[in-house]
Amino acid sequence: ETGVTQTPRHLVMGMTNKKSLKCEQHLGHNAMYWYKQSAKKPLELMFVYNFKEQTENNSVPSRFSPECPNSSHLFLHLHTLQPEDSALYLCASSQDPRDEQYFGPGTRLTVT
Amino acid sequence: GNSVTQMEGPVTLSEEAFLTINCTYTATGYPSLFWYVQYPGEGLQLLLKATKADDKGSNKGFEATYRKETTSFHLEKGSVQVSDSAVYFCALNTNAGKSTFGDGTTLTVKP
Repeated sequence: ETGVTQTPRHLVMGMTNKKSLKCEQHLGHNAMYWYKQSAKKPLELMFVYNFKEQTENNSVPSRFSPECPNSSHLFLHLHTLQPEDSALYLCASSQDPRDEQYFGPGTRLTVT
Repeated sequence: GNSVTQMEGPVTLSEEAFLTINCTYTATGYPSLFWYVQYPGEGLQLLLKATKADDKGSNKGFEATYRKETTSFHLEKGSVQVSDSAVYFCALNTNAGKSTFGDGTTLTVKP
């Protein structure tokens, strides 16, 4: 049990769909992260939130829209995605951005 | 900018062999260093960490020593098991809270 849960675990969506990924952490942490992990590519940091405020957006296309309503929950809203967006999306949390991160199991996204 | 360079994989070893996965970094200041492991179908999990020079992190038989003079944090294990087969990531966090991960090294241990 990592203390970070993600739903759904698998998602198949068409390019015109709108869907959301959910992440919840039960660790009392203040920072939360979204990563994209594609086959044969390095782990890509997408967004960082600290105390519910976005502190990093690594040039992510606007078809990905994060939301952090409180320190325990993080969402990634998806719309008009492309097939190259198919990947494993990992959520993580940490007590502070300088500390080790705790990862969820990921959502395997397939865009058809 | 900050960077982490890991030994390229894949690495294939026989059970009970000695493991070394090299990791070097570039960063300003005094970062904290981490090794994470990712088993198939799972997210990353912290394996060990070191927060200052000459610290040794250890867990489950794995060790890594923070070497500031060589900017390295090599992962070692004396005797690997089949269950150690996974992808290993070296990472750093700066005091400003910036994270940088290496590309990952895939380890396969054969019985």
